[in-house]
Order: sequence, then structure tokens, then C-alpha cells
Amino acid sequence: EDKVVQSPLSLVVHEGDTVTLNCSYEVTNFRSLLWYKQEKKAPTFLFMLTSSGIEKKSGRLSSILDKKELFSILNITATQTGDSAIYLCAVANYRMDSSYKLIFGSGTRLLVRP
Amino acid sequence: GAVVSQHPSWVICKSGTSVKIECRSLDFQATTMFWYRQFPKQSLMLMATSNEGSKATYEQGVEKDKFLINHASLTLSTLTVTSAHPEDSSFYICSAETGHTDTQYFGPGTRLTVL
Repeated sequence: EDKVVQSPLSLVVHEGDTVTLNCSYEVTNFRSLLWYKQEKKAPTFLFMLTSSGIEKKSGRLSSILDKKELFSILNITATQTGDSAIYLCAVANYRMDSSYKLIFGSGTRLLVRP
Repeated sequence: GAVVSQHPSWVICKSGTSVKIECRSLDFQATTMFWYRQFPKQSLMLMATSNEGSKATYEQGVEKDKFLINHASLTLSTLTVTSAHPEDSSFYICSAETGHTDTQYFGPGTRLTVL
């Protein structure tokens, strides 16, 4: 059964700290891995990763994928209270009709204290 | 760019009634839209994939007669929860893709409460 596992489930840090969120997966017909940030409502897109070893970076956030070891990490440096959210990892896999579906992990709940 | 809206944002209804939720892509055409359900403190579970002009593809365990999906245009998909019951109470989120990548853009969600 395809699954995506995120760790830790929750994390509390202080402003300025650096955090690393983990996502491991066992998915047939891997296509891509995506990170989303979910605050109060809809998830907002952060990164999409398809190739191993290539870091994607956006401001204080960065992410990398290891397709051999089947995991990805999301790093947030110099955290701010506005980074408090649930971070979702999702893996897209090919289906027989060449469509795809996103399989989501349960998320990591990050709380950044001032 | 890539904004998706949902309406209504919340709805309360009586058991046995039907509820329609709209999902619109505001600034792009979405050949494919997705409907998810999210229970408290749990992740998003895909319910169905909706392609414009064709029948939706439902995930295993999702009743197609209960959750009716219509994708009549490239910017609008609707989910109708028929004969809603309290166990249907949940957060329903739609997403849409532009067709160029696997990136899905999510709507703000609709919180359904069935009394």
C-alpha cells in the first residue's frame, strides 16, 4: 500500500531556530514530491521535487529529494512566528491510465514561539 | 496567479438534505480538478478526480451516488453531497491543476456540518 510518512508530527521552536521536517515514502510509480504549507484553510504550494540531489530554495525555505533512500527534507532557517503552520508532504504517483494522484502524509505541525 | 475559490466557505444543513459546493479556478483553465476530504488533525484524502467534460473518477470507498461531481467547464467543478448525514460532516477542499505540472492549487475549503 502506498504511504507517505512525515516526522515529527509536531514541533515547537523559538524564533530564529532552524528546523528540518522529514518526509519518507513508499509509493509505486513515483512521479514527484510536493511540499505544502497549510495554515487555517487551504494548503499553499511550496515546492515540487522530481530529481534527486537538486535543492529547491525559496527565501528561508529549502528542500531536497533523495529518490534512492525515498525521502525528502524541508528546511526552514531563522524561523518566524509566521512560519507556524502544518507542513504537508505529498507524493504524486502514476496510475494505469497515466493520470496521477497525490498521496498526502499526515503533516508536521510547527509552532514557532516569539 | 493560480487562484482557486470555493463556495460556500461553510454550510450547516439538516440531515437528509443535499449540499452543493462550487470550486472555481479564477485565473487559469483547469482541465483537471480534485476533491479532497480532511478530518480534524488528519491529512487530505482524495475523493475523486474530475476532468472537464467527462465522468469523475472516484477513489475506492467513495460512493459516487452520494458525492456527485460535475465538471461542466474548464473553470468550474461542483461537488454535491446528497442526502447528507452527520458522518458526512467534514472539511472539503478542491484543487485544480494547470495541466503543465503535478502542482495542484487548492481552494480555501468548505466546512460542512450536518445536524
